[in-house]
Amino acid sequence: DGGITQSPKYLFRKEGQNVTLSCEQNLNHDAMYWYRQDPGQGLRLIYYSQIVNDFQKGDIAEGYSVSREKKESFPLTVTSAQKNPTAFYLCASTQLTGVVTTEAFFGQGTRLTVV
Amino acid sequence: GENVEQHPSTLSVQEGDSAVIKCTYSDSASNYFPWYKQELGKRPQLIIDIRSNVGEKKDQRIAVTLNKTAKHFSLHITETQPEDSAVYFCAAPFLKFGNEKLTFGTGTRLTIIP
Repeated sequence: DGGITQSPKYLFRKEGQNVTLSCEQNLNHDAMYWYRQDPGQGLRLIYYSQIVNDFQKGDIAEGYSVSREKKESFPLTVTSAQKNPTAFYLCASTQLTGVVTTEAFFGQGTRLTVV
Repeated sequence: GENVEQHPSTLSVQEGDSAVIKCTYSDSASNYFPWYKQELGKRPQLIIDIRSNVGEKKDQRIAVTLNKTAKHFSLHITETQPEDSAVYFCAAPFLKFGNEKLTFGTGTRLTIIP
């Protein structure tokens, strides 16, 4: 069954702790993205990556870090420097075919709460 | 900069009526314009998309129109039904330093009134 999987579905973090959200895809997609969604708001881009060992900051990268050691994996770490991390996090992937953009597939999301 | 503006932020229509959501984008090089639907607590899913060489695309009750000159595109839902209630997002890709950045609008919460 192909797709993009995020884990965990719910995550609780104490203030001052780093936490890592997992994102795995078996679609053989080149590009992967992390978005943050706050209640009643849109999808804001945190980081994105088009190839292994390379990634770019999005619009709200401060307090977050990522890695892309394997094509199928793009974990997101929420560091203690992120002052307001409580949100719904969505991972997505797309296939790159030169100049033609293709459909983005989303994971089921991780809801992170700071306690 | 790379920007996608979406309007309105909320929209309520009577069941059976039509709904229209509009987006504008900033980069004239963008060539792909998808629309996603997100139901409560679920992941966004693609409902329709259009490429820059086409002006309109239809799929049953939904359609998307594109005006490249004005840099805007719209989602049209006809004969609305209760299951159309959801948040809808438009998106556009922006090419930056050889990397493609997929940027979304701020979303429209559509409510269908029975």
